[in-house]
Amino acid sequence: NAGVMQNPRHLVRRRGQEARLRCSPMKGHSHVYWYRQLPEEGLKFMVYLQKENIIDESGMPKERFSAEFPKEGPSILRIQQVVRGDSAAYFCASSPPRQYTEAFFGQGTRLTVV
Amino acid sequence: EDQVTQSPEALRLQEGESSSLNCSYTVSGLRGLFWYRQDPGKGPEFLFTLYSAGEEKEKERLKATLTKKESFLHITAPKPEDSATYLCAVRNGSSNTGKLIFGQGTTLQVKP
Repeated sequence: NAGVMQNPRHLVRRRGQEARLRCSPMKGHSHVYWYRQLPEEGLKFMVYLQKENIIDESGMPKERFSAEFPKEGPSILRIQQVVRGDSAAYFCASSPPRQYTEAFFGQGTRLTVV
Repeated sequence: EDQVTQSPEALRLQEGESSSLNCSYTVSGLRGLFWYRQDPGKGPEFLFTLYSAGEEKEKERLKATLTKKESFLHITAPKPEDSATYLCAVRNGSSNTGKLIFGQGTTLQVKP
């Protein structure tokens, strides 16, 4: 049973470009979460999605960031017009449909904006 | 506001020297306290979930306990391979969100 798969593992973008981060949840998991880990900081919640629905996006910056989890295919975190401050590790986690269960994390995508 | 505070920030132990990591929390309607281990450059690895005060879980040299205000991760006779950052997180049950609120972590170094 494969774990949460994230790609790419490393992504370099120039300022102003777009970054697309992908996450395939564990088999049987229909809940996806995105977290950001800035250097020397803890994990910060960004968004919580179920298939075709955004349930909680209270941690998402108001501009340039968006997320989706389509009926088919991986979840996508999209960052438009990246700036140096977006450089961070972005982690995806997934959990089964039952409420309040543990979430399992992928290995993350490390975004570097140059 | 929901909050998680972990202490100490860093801990150095000799191999075999047992100790405990602390996680203090403030949350509206706790719906789970979670411990994760994170190695450098990797994603958090799930260790334990605790749901109610008095609950305990064990795995190899690790034992997690929970009270109404804090959780402890006890490490018995640690080995160098236990070196990692240990993260504590809580889930708020007063809303429908499944988000986890993380502490800053405790970085453990075990020397041979």
